[in-house]
Amino acid sequence: AQKVTQAQTEISVVEKEDVTLDCVYETRDTTYYLFWYKQPPSGELVFLIRRNSFDEQNEISGRYSWNFQKSTSSFNFTITASQVVDSAVYFCALSEANQAGTALIFGKGTTLSVSS
Amino acid sequence: GAGVSQSPSNKVTEKGKDVELRCDPISGHTALYWYRQSLGQGLEFLIYFQGNSAPDKSGLPSDRFSAERTGGSVSTLTIQRTQQEDSAVYLCASSAIPPETQYFGPGTRLLVL
Repeated sequence: AQKVTQAQTEISVVEKEDVTLDCVYETRDTTYYLFWYKQPPSGELVFLIRRNSFDEQNEISGRYSWNFQKSTSSFNFTITASQVVDSAVYFCALSEANQAGTALIFGKGTTLSVSS
Repeated sequence: GAGVSQSPSNKVTEKGKDVELRCDPISGHTALYWYRQSLGQGLEFLIYFQGNSAPDKSGLPSDRFSAERTGGSVSTLTIQRTQQEDSAVYLCASSAIPPETQYFGPGTRLLVL
């Protein structure tokens, strides 16, 4: 069965600290897609990144970076030099190519609080 | 371009009443999804529409829930005889042909008294 686990419920850091959000997934499919979404206090889910199962290359976008490791079924997200505006709930999600509709399976989310 | 829009933003209703929630997807997106976000259950898939195909209703929690999509664009999620456990944020998302990325609307916050 497919599953996404975000073991960290809440993380608190001080501005400029680096922080890593963990995501572990389970799937039997060989073709699947992984996502990170950000949900700020306003409530709207904002897309951050998508990775397919055949592309293990890590990605960096500004202060954000993602580490995809199939060997450990993990897709971790690091924010470098965190800022107060990074405070939000972050969701990791999985969709499988063979699943009808490719609906997203979400983890429970990690609440990140960045204080100044 | 415009993103996914949803209305109303907030809805307060009494137990037993019917409610309709509306979603307007991104223009040109053929796939439309409904999800529900509640404190106890997190983010759950409800229903999926793709073009003119029959919808995937596998996530609907009961037969009180239904949805339709008219003209391949706007969708309405209907909850009949609402219960207090239906209180949640209902999120709509759309994408180009799956498995393209899903983009979410701002949600409708439903409170059943």
